[in-house]
This record gives sequence, structure tokens and C-alpha cells, in this order.
Amino acid sequence: GIQVEQSPPDLILQEGANSTLRCNFSDSVNNLQWFHQNPWGQLINLFYIPSGTKQNGRLSATTVATERYSLLYISSSQTTDSGVYFCAVDRSGGGADGLTFGKGTHLIIQP
Amino acid sequence: ETGVTQSPTHLIKTRGQQVTLRCSSQSGHNTVSWYQQALGQGPQFIFQYYREEENGRGNFPPRFSGLQFPNYSSELNVNALELDDSALYLCASSASGVSPLHFGNGTRLTVT
Repeated sequence: GIQVEQSPPDLILQEGANSTLRCNFSDSVNNLQWFHQNPWGQLINLFYIPSGTKQNGRLSATTVATERYSLLYISSSQTTDSGVYFCAVDRSGGGADGLTFGKGTHLIIQP
Repeated sequence: ETGVTQSPTHLIKTRGQQVTLRCSSQSGHNTVSWYQQALGQGPQFIFQYYREEENGRGNFPPRFSGLQFPNYSSELNVNALELDDSALYLCASSASGVSPLHFGNGTRLTVT
């Protein structure tokens, strides 16, 4: 099956810092999504981005499908940004294979 | 707009028992999928339901089964529980198979 690698696995930053999280995948995909799992376990969809660039407030994401990677940018970090960030992909056209998740990047923002 | 809701939030079962978890999809969403998340891992795809039929399945044994109802709500049933089934079970809904997934808060299952 498709492999998803995320880096770095852990990241500790001070409030106000910027960060870039990377997701590499082993095959072409029709579906790529970024999620944030907060310390209470709630998984929030950040971006649906199989290709191109999107921005939402302090967060933005870019997927270069031809080179099989995606980047999530977090600017001016806040303590509420802490948690685990997951990249998830799907090769199929109809979503029936489900999303394959990476192991995540564990982000800690210190005040 | 009502989000994805799951019940119960926590559950403790004994090895060998059976369990049913429930999920109400977000309004307007007709596709429901279930994921298992072990501690420290990313979620793993169990199966997906569309129009009351299972239309995709991950690498899980047949003792994991499900249902989708006409109102698009769903159940996950696990028979003959094993200790390794202890995990967070997440339900997600979407408007179609390749649109953004929206997750519920999950059910934390502990098997003793």
C-alpha cells in the first residue's frame, strides 16, 4: 500500500514562532488532507489539498503532487496550536480505500 | 449545522465480549467511515459505508462489522473482543468519498 512519511516527528517551539511540517507519499494520490488532533483527541480537518496551495488564517498548505509531497505552514504559533498534525492520503478515485495516515508530527508550543 | 456525534465516549469491556459503537453523520453527508487509532499512532481505516452498503474495507478481520441506516447514521460492531482492540474509535462523515472528512470526538474502548 501507499506509504506516508511525516517530518519532523516532534517539534518544540516558543509562542510566536513559525514552522513547516512535511509529508512525503510514495505514490500518486487523488486525495490529501491535513488534520490537527488536539490534546483531548479531537481530530479537526485543516485542509483538503490534493494539489496546489490553500491558506486559512495563520495556516497554509501546499501540495506538489508531481513530486509527491505536501507542506503545512504554521505562522505566529499559539499555545492552542499544540497537538499532533496528521497528513492523510488516498489513491482511489471514490475514497473506498479510506485515508492512509502518517505517524504525525507532535507539536508543542511553549508560552 | 450539526457535526459528527459518537456514543458512548468511553467504554470498558472484557475480552470475548461484543461491543456496538454509534455515530451520527454531519447533516448533508451520505458517506460514513470508521477508523481505529491505537495510542501514539495515526488512525487506521476500518471500513466505509455509502447508501447503506459497505463499499471499502481496510485490513481488519470479519469480526469488525458495521451498518449504515437510511438517515446515514452508522454502527460499528466488534465481536469476540481482544486486548489489542483497545483503542480510540473514530467515525468520520463526508459529502462523498473524496471530499473532506469530518471526524467525531471518538469512543475510547478499553478491553480488559
